[in-house]
Amino acid sequence: DGGITQSPKYLFRKEGQNVTLSCEQNLNHDAMYWYRQDPGQGLRLIYYSQIVNDFQKGDIAEGYSVSREKKESFPLTVTSAQKNPTAFYLCASSYILRGGLDEQYFGPGTRLTVT
Amino acid sequence: AQSVTQLGSHVSVSEGALVLLRCNYSSSVPPYLFWYVQYPNQGLQLLLKYTSAATLVKGINGFEAEFKKSETSFHLTKPSAHMSDAAEYFCAVSDPDYGQNFVFGPGTRLSVLP
Repeated sequence: DGGITQSPKYLFRKEGQNVTLSCEQNLNHDAMYWYRQDPGQGLRLIYYSQIVNDFQKGDIAEGYSVSREKKESFPLTVTSAQKNPTAFYLCASSYILRGGLDEQYFGPGTRLTVT
Repeated sequence: AQSVTQLGSHVSVSEGALVLLRCNYSSSVPPYLFWYVQYPNQGLQLLLKYTSAATLVKGINGFEAEFKKSETSFHLTKPSAHMSDAAEYFCAVSDPDYGQNFVFGPGTRLSVLP
């Protein structure tokens, strides 16, 4: 089955530690995205990538880093510099069309809790 | 910059009643438009999308939306609400003039009362 997977579902870390969230897709999508969602709020874009070895900052990139070494994979590292890392993190992917982006497919999300 | 507004952060309807969730966008160029649904602690699932074909778009679970260029709107409707429709709904726009990114609305939480 084609899809997008995120692991783990729940993640707990101590303050000051870096943590990496996994995102893998087997849909052959060019573009991949990371969003952050806080309770009762919408989605905020952290980073996105349209091609291997290239990525762009989104609206809230500070304290986060990404890599795109393979088309299928787009891991997100939440660094100790992120002041409020506890949130629900969503990864998505999509085709890139001439007229815009096709629908984004979302993973199930990772809930990160930092204490 | 492109923006998406969803009127009403929380909408309550009775089971069997009409569901109407509003979405307006700011682009002057017809973009691609999407509605997503999110259940608690899950990712977003596509309900339907408009990509410049028919202006009335039918989606999954009995939902549909109508693209109205003159009103820059893409409201989501369902004739008869079911308890299982209770969720968060997001409208999104993909606008080539805004680069290769989506813009999501803030979301509307739908409650369905028995």
